Amino acid sequence: NAGVMQNPRHLVRRRGQEARLRCSPMKGHSHVYWYRQLPEEGLKFMVYLQKENIIDESGMPKERFSAEFPKEGPSILRIQQVVRGDSAAYFCASSLRGQNTEAFFGQGTRLTVV
Amino acid sequence: GNSVTQMEGPVTLSEEAFLTINCTYTATGYPSLFWYVQYPGEGLQLLLKATKADDKGSNKGFEATYRKETTSFHLEKGSVQVSDSAVYFCALSDRGNQGGKLIFGQGTELSVKP
Repeated sequence: NAGVMQNPRHLVRRRGQEARLRCSPMKGHSHVYWYRQLPEEGLKFMVYLQKENIIDESGMPKERFSAEFPKEGPSILRIQQVVRGDSAAYFCASSLRGQNTEAFFGQGTRLTVV
Repeated sequence: GNSVTQMEGPVTLSEEAFLTINCTYTATGYPSLFWYVQYPGEGLQLLLKATKADDKGSNKGFEATYRKETTSFHLEKGSVQVSDSAVYFCALSDRGNQGGKLIFGQGTELSVKP
């Protein structure tokens, strides 16, 4: 039973380009969470999605960032027109249910904006 | 709002030394509390958890007790090993609500020397 799979593991983008980060949840999990970890900081919640729905996006920047979790395929975190401040590790977690349940984390995507 | 505060690192110990990493929290209601561990280049793994006051979570020789009166969840281990070198994150979630939406502390880096 594969864990949460994120790809790519490392992504380098020039300022102004788009970054697409993918997350395949554990088998049977329909709840996905995205977190950002800035250097020397803890993880900060960004968005919580269930299949085809955004449940909570209270941690998402208002501009340039979007997330989706389609009926088929992985969840995608999309960052448009990246800036140097977007450089961070982005972690995805998935859970079986939305409440009273453990979240399992992927290995993260390390985004570097040059 | 809810928050988690951890002792600052890095913490450097000799093998077989006693470990304490302090964690205090601010929350309304009755949160669940967690310790996650992040080994170099990897994602977060759940180390232990406690879901109500006076519960003790334990795993791999690590322990933490949910203390409501002091709003604390300190991590302890009696005898650390080199393989315990990692970053440790304390986290909380609103009990019964959005199990994967977690609030993390800033992390404490532990380095164990032989």
